[in-house]
Amino acid sequence: DTGVSQNPRHKITKRGQNVTFRCDPISEHNRLYWYRQTLGQGPEFLTYFQNEAQLEKSRLLSDRFSAERPKGSFSTLEIQRTEQGDSAMYLCASSLGYEQFFGPGTRLTVL
Amino acid sequence: RKEVEQDPGPFNVPEGATVAFNCTYSNSASQSFFWYRQDCRKEPKLLMSVYSSGNEDGRFTAQLNRASQYISLLIRDSKLSDSATYLCVVNHSGSARQLTFGSGTQLTVLP
Repeated sequence: DTGVSQNPRHKITKRGQNVTFRCDPISEHNRLYWYRQTLGQGPEFLTYFQNEAQLEKSRLLSDRFSAERPKGSFSTLEIQRTEQGDSAMYLCASSLGYEQFFGPGTRLTVL
Repeated sequence: RKEVEQDPGPFNVPEGATVAFNCTYSNSASQSFFWYRQDCRKEPKLLMSVYSSGNEDGRFTAQLNRASQYISLLIRDSKLSDSATYLCVVNHSGSARQLTFGSGTQLTVLP
């Protein structure tokens, strides 16, 4: 399967803990995006990379959130000191042209 | 006001029916428009792009009215497999960066 992959698929954590998610984009795609989706809503943009450069960040991305794409391939999204409001599906997407291909997401539950 | 607004539904229609979804967007600088489909607990997938002249893909027809900032999706001869959430999506920058999603319209096609 050469689609976008994300790990883990599910994460349950206690409030205050740090979590890290990984996204492996489609191999030739130079653009990578992170979105967050809560129940009954569409995905909301968090941040965007072109190769290894982080070019855009949403105001939704508080100081507790950090994303990296060190070699322009896979990306990680870290949330520090998690809060219950962070519970959501975190989606990664990649693109070469205009169409963004989404991964299956990581569902985060903060207790 | 949300940047992209959709009727959340749900729309429950019998097989074979024609159903139409509408969407409005607030940013007149929006340049690219799409409909994505999202099945329950799955990632969004591109259904079709929306062009100013209107476009058709099999049973699906998309229309764009830039003056009214309005997008529509028409599904003819609906199938059980069309049951999903349909997300109206706009891209402001026109450079394949962040997508802005509506909250989605839920469709259930009944046998």
